[in-house]
Amino acid sequence: DSGVTQTPKHLITATGQRVTLRCSPRSGDLSVYWYQQSLDQGLQFLIQYYNGEERAKGNILERFSAQQFPDLHSELNLSSLELGDSALYFCASSVESPGTGELFFGEGSRLTVL
Amino acid sequence: SQQGEEDPQALSIQEGENATMNCSYKTSINNLQWYRQNSGRGLVHLILIRSNEREKHSGRLRVTLDTSKKSSSLLITASRAADTASYFCATDAFSGGYNKLIFGAGTRLAVHP
Repeated sequence: DSGVTQTPKHLITATGQRVTLRCSPRSGDLSVYWYQQSLDQGLQFLIQYYNGEERAKGNILERFSAQQFPDLHSELNLSSLELGDSALYFCASSVESPGTGELFFGEGSRLTVL
Repeated sequence: SQQGEEDPQALSIQEGENATMNCSYKTSINNLQWYRQNSGRGLVHLILIRSNEREKHSGRLRVTLDTSKKSSSLLITASRAADTASYFCATDAFSGGYNKLIFGAGTRLAVHP
């Protein structure tokens, strides 16, 4: 158990809909990262936060948005969903500044868009 | 584009054999990390090697780093069926004033009993 909690574990929805994925980082970790993993693919970096502030963005679509709240949990919002958005979405956290240390990953939220 | 690229994409070996996976990257790094992912699960950190280190060991794992060639290798010795997983390298990429950790596409390792 990494200590990172992601909900929901599975989500099935229809095209055009909006979903919110939630992540609770390990206790004490200030950095939160979101990654997308499509079937049998590598991880695509989406966005990262440090203590509530956005620090770096990857190839995150404009239909996607995220934020980190004062209690350090984070949410990833996906809107106007398309079939191609079906993927595993991982949240990770770290104790160090972004990009400098080990990441602890949650078990992911598997999104299926029908 | 991805910072790190693993090679080979897939590797199939027998238990007891050694498995070597390679990672190449494009820009200067502060550190390089290797992660393991069992099918459909979250990634687990294996080892981190800093840019001023050339080799690091952890149990049956040996990681090397050659910054002049912008490459790293992960060696798993005396492999076991339980080592079957995907292995990813991750490098830090400095962009917009901050570091971000970029993962390669991974090597799928299958260890047969």
